[in-house]
Amino acid sequence: DADVTQTPRNRITKTGKRIMLECSQTKGHDRMYWYRQDPGLGLRLIYYSFDVKDINKGEISDGYSVSRQAQAKFSLSLESAIPNQTALYFCATSDPAGTAYNEQFFGPGTRLTVL
Amino acid sequence: GESVGLHLPTLSVQEGDNSIINCAYSNSASDYFIWYKQESGKGPQFIIDIRSNMDKRQGQRVTVLLNKTVKHLSLQIAATQPGDSAVYFCAENMVTGGGNKLTFGTGTQLKVEL
Repeated sequence: DADVTQTPRNRITKTGKRIMLECSQTKGHDRMYWYRQDPGLGLRLIYYSFDVKDINKGEISDGYSVSRQAQAKFSLSLESAIPNQTALYFCATSDPAGTAYNEQFFGPGTRLTVL
Repeated sequence: GESVGLHLPTLSVQEGDNSIINCAYSNSASDYFIWYKQESGKGPQFIIDIRSNMDKRQGQRVTVLLNKTVKHLSLQIAATQPGDSAVYFCAENMVTGGGNKLTFGTGTQLKVEL
């Protein structure tokens, strides 16, 4: 079973709709992250959380919000989706006490299309 | 209408040859530099990292070189195999608040020709 799962894997929605992307992990990691990936632009950090009570904005948080419901769950919401939020979204986790301080473990991604 | 993304730099190599993927970084305060590999349809996967006080680190078939003078990072893959075909990202690590976060580069597409 995958350690980091994302649901849904694909979603098509319309402008103005509220969308929630969910991420769950079984790795027992405290740190979780949400990124978006656009063609040719790499991954950009939206929000991150170092533990259940900690939420931080990344470089492109406008138009997004998050909720850390438990150590294992970190959800990303688009309150009112717009077409330029069409992208591939990745959730990731990390454990600073692990063998690789910098290693983040990524989910399979959610492809979101906003029409 | 349809959006057109930026064209990814592409490196094409013959199977068995060595590959060198380059990256320029911007933040001299980064404490680690990292390479990730992303295969088609998958999330990125950690390959290797290097601490900022080192200039070379070797892994299994991979070597990372760091030149802080010119803010340049490279990933060398020995005896490139078809399974190495992927997009490769460099990333900078920054300590922040109670943890750390990564800033990713835009990526290089590696194509291995048989």
